[in-house]
Amino acid sequence: DGGITQSPKYLFRKEGQNVTLSCEQNLNHDAMYWYRQDPGQGLRLIYYSQIVNDFQKGDIAEGYSVSREKKESFPLTVTSAQKNPTAFYLCASSIRRGPNEKLFFGSGTQLSVL
Amino acid sequence: AQSVTQPDIHITVSEGASLELRCNYSYGATPYLFWYVQSPGQGLQLLLKYFSGDTLVQGIKGFEAEFKRSQSSFNLRKPSVHWSDAAEYFCAVALEGTSYGKLTFGQGTILTVHP
Repeated sequence: DGGITQSPKYLFRKEGQNVTLSCEQNLNHDAMYWYRQDPGQGLRLIYYSQIVNDFQKGDIAEGYSVSREKKESFPLTVTSAQKNPTAFYLCASSIRRGPNEKLFFGSGTQLSVL
Repeated sequence: AQSVTQPDIHITVSEGASLELRCNYSYGATPYLFWYVQSPGQGLQLLLKYFSGDTLVQGIKGFEAEFKRSQSSFNLRKPSVHWSDAAEYFCAVALEGTSYGKLTFGQGTILTVHP
């Protein structure tokens, strides 16, 4: 079945540690996104990528980094510079353009700080 | 910058009752409007979207929403709520001409359904 796979479902980070969240899609979508979700704040865009080897900062990119070496993969690294990393992270993808496209979401990764 | 407001953080209804979830946006141009639903610990699923045309749009699971330009609103409705509708609902706005995935989300409304 086509879809978006995020792993792991739960992740713990120690102080000063970088961690990487995986996002893989087999929908053949060009665009991929990372959102951060905090209780009572909705979703906020971290990074997005419209095409392989290209990505742009979203609204809250500080302390995060991404890469887009393959169309199917868009991993997110939470660096030690992100001082408040505890959140639910959602990856999404969409067809690059088109009036009928919609956003497909993965099932998320809950990141917590030890 | 555009913003999306969902005034109700938490709504409780009885099963079979009608439902209306409010959404207001602040944006000068005509936005693209969406409603998503999220079950606990899961990703979001698109319920419906409005781009243009008829201001009353139908979605999945019996939901509908009405775009009112004069009120800058895009409220979600359902005539009769089922227990399985309990979830968190998000209104979202996209800029015209940009990727439709670059959304601004509201804070979300948690829906509780009593039997």
